[in-house]
Amino acid sequence: GDSVTQMEGPVTLSEEAFLTINCTYTATGYPSLFWYVQYPGEGLQLLLKATKADDKGSNKGFEATYRKETTSFHLEKGSVQVSDSAVYFCASYSSASKIIFGSGTRLSIRP
Amino acid sequence: DTEVTQTPKHLVMGMTNKKSLKCEQHMGHRAMYWYKQKAKKPPELMFVYSYEKLSINESVPSRFSPECPNSSLLNLHLHALQPEDSALYLCASSQDEGPVEAFFGQGTRLTVV
Repeated sequence: GDSVTQMEGPVTLSEEAFLTINCTYTATGYPSLFWYVQYPGEGLQLLLKATKADDKGSNKGFEATYRKETTSFHLEKGSVQVSDSAVYFCASYSSASKIIFGSGTRLSIRP
Repeated sequence: DTEVTQTPKHLVMGMTNKKSLKCEQHMGHRAMYWYKQKAKKPPELMFVYSYEKLSINESVPSRFSPECPNSSLLNLHLHALQPEDSALYLCASSQDEGPVEAFFGQGTRLTVV
């Protein structure tokens, strides 16, 4: 069945460092892909999305490119801030008509 | 208004209690969802309502009973829960079922004692 795999956390970086969180998917066909972010004590917010191969989603300095060849959707940001500390979930819209989430990656940014 | 509002924010209930979680959205969305999230885990889908009809039930135990009284409201009725049901319960909505953005509420933190 469809699945999403993302890198284990926690990830700890210093402010202004470069961020990459890896995400790969398995799916029938070409699912839409998402990154959601969950700040402490809150629900999930959509960070960015891509609906077809080679699409690049971007928001708040974060980017991710839908790579069909490598079935990946890695999240990147050039310079992280303390306020980016949160849990990040990669997700796909599966052939069973539901969102499938990865296990989540906790990101902590040191001032 | 791009909010999904959930009440209450926190709930403590005994195993013999009956309680309800409520969710409301005024974005005109026609799909609404209940998710359960345990600590340090991703959300797990429980139910999907589409146009006020239950379209997906992920084999959830009958002690959880969803209800969609109208297109803006979604309830989750709880009865005879177990301590392992303690979790964050998230409601979400989207314009339609499909690969579109889902908007999440802040959740109800449920503790079963």
